[in-house]
Amino acid sequence: SQQGEEDPQALSIQEGENATMNCSYKTSINNLQWYRQNSGRGLVHLILIRSNEREKHSGRLRVTLDTSKKSSSLLITASRAADTASYFCATGGYGQNFVFGPGTRLSVLP
Amino acid sequence: EAQVTQNPRYLITVTGKKLTVTCSQNMNHEYMSWYRQDPGLGLRQIYYSMNVEVTDKGDVPEGYKVSRKEKRNFPLILESPSPNQTSLYFCASSFLAVSETQYFGPGTRLLVL
Repeated sequence: SQQGEEDPQALSIQEGENATMNCSYKTSINNLQWYRQNSGRGLVHLILIRSNEREKHSGRLRVTLDTSKKSSSLLITASRAADTASYFCATGGYGQNFVFGPGTRLSVLP
Repeated sequence: EAQVTQNPRYLITVTGKKLTVTCSQNMNHEYMSWYRQDPGLGLRQIYYSMNVEVTDKGDVPEGYKVSRKEKRNFPLILESPSPNQTSLYFCASSFLAVSETQYFGPGTRLLVL
């Protein structure tokens, strides 16, 4: 069953602008992770935020988590053309399965 | 170099012809998993394994088999492939459990005619 759902499905911005993607989920989670995928290649882990954390930073990435609203956001600041990719949120529950959303396709135009 | 490898990377086959996609990791990870990726559906988990000889179904296990005889290897077996199994397949591993960072292989693109 789909757990994480990203919004928007696609996003186009100019280089230097900030990009914000949102993720909503349905059930209790242990953690939420964001991954990046370049054009049909393997996924690369970006950041993990645990259910007891509200905000986390990694370089130009900022992730927030609101467990009361069952939502998370990923902010990429000062975007670059190399940030063009699909971004997925994934939720790890208290079981052992792992659920990805359908992803947000980000295009950063030079 | 720490990595997850998959073979083959590309495969064209015909309906009903048994095939195996291999997956191997060199990071001594306990947890391994298989996903398929289809347009508009994101990644869906097929099977996962928490340790040697321990496997369990994910969200879409029908038509697939797996085995975990060694810690490093987790092959995906399609006994009788059908066209609806045409997809991009990813193997992933993590140190202890699914709630940790997963490391993905490069993917296997399968076309079943």
